[in-house]
Amino acid sequence: DVKVTQSSRYLVKRTGEKVFLECVQDMDHENMFWYRQDPGLGLRLIYFSYDVKMKEKGDIPEGYSVSREKKERFSLILESASTNQTSMYLCASSLGTGATNEKLFFGSGTQLSVL
Amino acid sequence: AQSVTQLGSHVSVSEGALVLLRCNYSSSVPPYLFWYVQYPNQGLQLLLKYTSAATLVKGINGFEAEFKKSETSFHLTKPSAHMSDAAEYFCAVSEMDTGRRALTFGSGTRLQVQP
Repeated sequence: DVKVTQSSRYLVKRTGEKVFLECVQDMDHENMFWYRQDPGLGLRLIYFSYDVKMKEKGDIPEGYSVSREKKERFSLILESASTNQTSMYLCASSLGTGATNEKLFFGSGTQLSVL
Repeated sequence: AQSVTQLGSHVSVSEGALVLLRCNYSSSVPPYLFWYVQYPNQGLQLLLKYTSAATLVKGINGFEAEFKKSETSFHLTKPSAHMSDAAEYFCAVSEMDTGRRALTFGSGTRLQVQP
């Protein structure tokens, strides 16, 4: 089975800190995604990547950046954390055939609290 | 852009009763549609997906969903609820018209199963 691992389950940071959320997948998937999950809003796409060193903005990229230096690792960066970035962050990956009906494999999430 | 609307943020049923979770989509082209489930403290898992091969789609754990173009719906059903079905369920649509290989999720429905 595909495993998508997020480095921290819970994270507490202070306003203004630079925050790194790490995600690693072990199945050589081409596509990787970062979503944030908020009650009543579902999942919203922050950034995604189709290949190493490639990234594309999702629906809510403001205040975030990403890095994909290696195929298996996709990092989400909060340059200066703010309280409105308190949320559950979910990483996902998919095989990358180019089809738009691919199954997404999710990590178990990182609950970030910004104080 | 495509979108999905999930009617009812919370649904409560008795064990053994029918489960019906509603999802309506908005799309200018025939969509691919998905249902994902999130158990407590876990990431999302794919339950089933519609990719135009058949309008009635069977998934894991006894769930199924029917694609109805005339009603722009993709409701999720299970004949008899089990306590282990308690989770949050997300409907999602593939971005067919943009070609973006990411999913757009609904706001989620939390299913509670009463003994």
